[in-house]
Amino acid sequence: QKEVEQDPGPLSVPEGAIVSLNCTYSNSAFQYFMWYRQYSRKGPELLMYTYSSGNKEDGRFTAQVDKSSKYISLFIRDSQPSDSATYLCALHTQGGSEKLVFGKGTKLTVNP
Amino acid sequence: GAVVSQHPSWVICKSGTSVKIECRSLDFQATTMFWYRQFPKQSLMLMATSNEGSKATYEQGVEKDKFLINHASLTLSTLTVTSAHPEDSSFYICSARPLAGRFDSYEQYFGPGTRLTVT
Repeated sequence: QKEVEQDPGPLSVPEGAIVSLNCTYSNSAFQYFMWYRQYSRKGPELLMYTYSSGNKEDGRFTAQVDKSSKYISLFIRDSQPSDSATYLCALHTQGGSEKLVFGKGTKLTVNP
Repeated sequence: GAVVSQHPSWVICKSGTSVKIECRSLDFQATTMFWYRQFPKQSLMLMATSNEGSKATYEQGVEKDKFLINHASLTLSTLTVTSAHPEDSSFYICSARPLAGRFDSYEQYFGPGTRLTVT
């Protein structure tokens, strides 16, 4: 079993839709959870960063962590064509290793 | 702020030659830089962790003699792909973790990537 599982999609939605992106993980040592957005042929940029279980909101983006289920989500409200990108979850453990473990990424297309 | 640059952004080389890729943190100092490789439709795979002034730590399966990493200063790390072969063609991305201060030291700031094509 891979450490982090993420459905690669592709996911296609109409403009204005609510988008739900998810990852599951197997290692309970993961304590930090991040979502990155990567446009084609560009480096990833950090969207959201969470530490504890629960929700964290930033504008149209909400990150949700359920440590008991080892399940993390990113919700995008009122999706825009400019949100079209690949979204990667990334996790790392508390202290010690600084290594980020990335999901495969989900390719999202928002159609106008 | 927190800008990381890579040079070149795109390079084509012949099989058997070596290619050097630079990663610079432009507005912050970073003791730690990371090198990733990303194949088409795949996720980022960490190749090595680079610490300023010391030897890089390579991930399992990554040949340290093929992928030479030098972290000579707090703002520059280089990756040299030696004797490149077509299977080394990939998107190479670096990231940098800032020293505590102006930017969040828990975060990795990514460069724009370098696309390497080996013919």
